[in-house]
Amino acid sequence: AQSVTQLGSHVSVSEGALVLLRCNYSSSVPPYLFWYVQYPNQGLQLLLKYTTGATLVKGINGFEAEFKKSETSFHLTKPSAHMSDAAEYFCAVSGPRNFNKFYFGSGTKLNVKP
Amino acid sequence: GAGVSQTPSNKVTEKGKYVELRCDPISGHTALYWYRQSLGQGPEFLIYFQGTGAADDSGLPNDRFFAVRPEGSVSTLKIQRTERGDSAVYLCASSLGTGNTIYFGEGSWLTVV
Repeated sequence: AQSVTQLGSHVSVSEGALVLLRCNYSSSVPPYLFWYVQYPNQGLQLLLKYTTGATLVKGINGFEAEFKKSETSFHLTKPSAHMSDAAEYFCAVSGPRNFNKFYFGSGTKLNVKP
Repeated sequence: GAGVSQTPSNKVTEKGKYVELRCDPISGHTALYWYRQSLGQGPEFLIYFQGTGAADDSGLPNDRFFAVRPEGSVSTLKIQRTERGDSAVYLCASSLGTGNTIYFGEGSWLTVV
């Protein structure tokens, strides 16, 4: 089975600072990769996804992530944090055998300080 | 509605009771998923439907858990003889099909006391 590791259950940044949330996966064959965001008392919302093609993926709200096969990583970044970015972020993978089964990391809570 | 709808949003039940959780997917989505999210954890896969049939139920923890989707749209997750360890948020999601983006509902928060 796939496994997804998110380093840091809590990350705190100042408003305007760089956001970096780390995600590593276990598969030796590139899977599909996703980042979801969850605001309090809301469902998971897709930020961005990588399936094939360009390894730098741009998502909503200024976030982007880069698929690095050699590092089995898919870290999420945003150049300048905004207060509204405070939420919990989940990295997920699906495939390569079964693209209908998603494996999620345990999540990273992002706190943005004024 | 525009999104995945789940009812009830909150359910408190006594240990040993039977519970049903309902999911209404996005119109036209043939694939439907159930996940469970325990406190402090990421969502864990339970079951996936393609149309009316369960294509993969390998995530159901035991035979107390069962899910149906009789007409290929609405799905019901059924939990028999609930235990305190079943307390979690149960998330439903849907997609157009294999490999497509999945869209999550807001979840049903189950508390077993």
